[in-house]
Amino acid sequence: AQSVAQPEDQVNVAEGNPLTVKCTYSVSGNPYLFWYVQYPNRGLQFLLKYITGDNLVKGSYGFEAEFNKSQTSFHLKKPSALVSDSALYFCAVRGRNTGGFKTIFGAGTRLFVKA
Amino acid sequence: SQTIHQWPATLVQPVGSPLSLECTVEGTSNPNLYWYRQAAGRGLQLLFYSVGIGQISSEVPQNLSASRPQDRQFILSSKKLLLSDSGFYLCAWTHTTGNTEAFFGQGTRLTVV
Repeated sequence: AQSVAQPEDQVNVAEGNPLTVKCTYSVSGNPYLFWYVQYPNRGLQFLLKYITGDNLVKGSYGFEAEFNKSQTSFHLKKPSALVSDSALYFCAVRGRNTGGFKTIFGAGTRLFVKA
Repeated sequence: SQTIHQWPATLVQPVGSPLSLECTVEGTSNPNLYWYRQAAGRGLQLLFYSVGIGQISSEVPQNLSASRPQDRQFILSSKKLLLSDSGFYLCAWTHTTGNTEAFFGQGTRLTVV
């Protein structure tokens, strides 16, 4: 069965500092991996995805994520955090053998960026 | 460009009343459609998905049902709401290829009183 773990409920970082939001996954075969962001009372917005190729994926708003197959991780990173980055972040996985039907989301990590 | 519409944005319903939430997608054809529930602002639980008209797969047995009467319309229903049905409901769509991201509606905040 597919699963996604986001081990941190909350991450606190000072503005200007680098941030990392962790994600590990379990899926048979090679996965499609995604990161989404959610602002209060809104739907999720897509940030970036890993399909194949380069393990470092760059996405929207300066975010990037590194796919590590041996550690089954897909951590979200940003070199310099902004206060406006404060939001709820979700990692998601979709197995290649599921016909593209089911995406499983992690529990979410709340990011607080202090000015 | 593609857009997804979900309504209403908020809903307060008494226990035992029926429910109908609607989601429509524009600008694409034959999308995969999904209903998720988000409890207490945290993780998303997949409730239903559909790969075509009239084709509904249920992920979690519960008090809800889904229907897809048209290619780009997805409806979440209940005959009698329970207090535990309260939550934030999100509709989403993807292309039929597996490597595409999901596009979400703005969500419906349902409070059952």
